Amino acid sequence: GIQVEQSPPDLILQEGANSTLRCNFSDSVNNLQWFHQNPWGQLINLFYIPSGTKQNGRLSATTVATERYSLLYISSSQTTDSGVYFCAVHRSSNTGKLIFGQGTTLQVKP
Amino acid sequence: DVKVTQSSRYLVKRTGEKVFLECVQDMDHENMFWYRQDPGLGLRLIYFSYDVKMKEKGDIPEGYSVSREKKERFSLILESASTNQTSMYLCASSSPPITEAFFGQGTRLTVV
Repeated sequence: GIQVEQSPPDLILQEGANSTLRCNFSDSVNNLQWFHQNPWGQLINLFYIPSGTKQNGRLSATTVATERYSLLYISSSQTTDSGVYFCAVHRSSNTGKLIFGQGTTLQVKP
Repeated sequence: DVKVTQSSRYLVKRTGEKVFLECVQDMDHENMFWYRQDPGLGLRLIYFSYDVKMKEKGDIPEGYSVSREKKERFSLILESASTNQTSMYLCASSSPPITEAFFGQGTRLTVV
């Protein structure tokens, strides 16, 4: 099956710093999502991004499907950005079944 | 806004009990999913439903069953709860062709 690898596994930043999280996947995928898991466990949708670049405030994401990777950029990090960031790829068209990476745990220190 | 609601945030059940986890979505999505999340193992798909009364096993269906009698509601059933089913359970929904998945707030189940 498809393998999804995220790096780095852990990241510690000072407030205000920028960071880049990476997601590599082993085969062609139909789509890709980025999530932020909050301290209460809920997965919050960040981006639904099959290809190209999207931006939402201080966050942006780029997916290069032909090279099988996606990047999540966090600029001017805040303590509320702390948590686990997951990349998930869609296994096949029209089902929405996801394969998750192991996540990147981000801690932003004040 | 898309809303996926799970009936409980925290549950504590005894070994051998029959446990129902309920999930409701308000976006008329065709697809609904149950995942579990465990440290070191990540998120894994338990069951998937693509229509009312239709279901498909995911990667780890053993010990679980599901029910989807109405489009908006998808239930996960632990027929006889065991301690190895202590976990975080996450429900999601999506709809073709976009298939962006939206998740509920999660249920932390502890089986004692």
